[in-house]
Amino acid sequence: SQTIHQWPATLVQPVGSPLSLECTVEGTSNPNLYWYRQAAGRGLQLLFYSVGIGQISSEVPQNLSASRPQDRQFILSSKKLLLSDSGFYLCAWETGSNTEAFFGQGTRLTVV
Amino acid sequence: SQKIEQNSEALNIQEGKTATLTCNYTNYSPAYLQWYRQDPGRGPVFLLLIRENEKEKRKERLKVTFDTTLKQSLFHITASQPADSATYLCALSTGNQFYFGTGTSLTVIP
Repeated sequence: SQTIHQWPATLVQPVGSPLSLECTVEGTSNPNLYWYRQAAGRGLQLLFYSVGIGQISSEVPQNLSASRPQDRQFILSSKKLLLSDSGFYLCAWETGSNTEAFFGQGTRLTVV
Repeated sequence: SQKIEQNSEALNIQEGKTATLTCNYTNYSPAYLQWYRQDPGRGPVFLLLIRENEKEKRKERLKVTFDTTLKQSLFHITASQPADSATYLCALSTGNQFYFGTGTSLTVIP
């Protein structure tokens, strides 16, 4: 069966520090991969999606970047974190049929 | 891009009653509309999907309707239980993109 792993679960980082969040999917090939951010009491904001290795589409200009170095690995990065980068970050995958997205457990990022 | 609106106010209902949640969207009608459940501190979990050419879909105590003329979906939970308490998210998917609403918080009171 397919599983998605996202880590770490919680992270506290100082302003100006770098960020690297990793997401991996098991049990499927060539998934579409997504990064979302959810602010407190808000909906999910689509940050990036990828339909293949090295193919990244950005939805919102911001202080973040994404990379897909391997088929089932999706990384969210920042060179210098801002306070406004705090939030709940979720990785998700789907088969490409657009019918159902599967989410990781999320990373709670607090920038101090 | 799509704008998706859900009831921003929390919904409190008595156990056993039917909960009805609303999802409205702007712009084009999506190929698929989905409903997810999200518990605090967790990622959303898929519940139901309805296609643009379908009017209604049921799964156990859940029912979803889809009106492309009104650009609206309704999500019903019948015979609600305290375990149904969660935030429910509406999502539209088309192309390779999934867009989510802000969610409606549901509390079922015993």
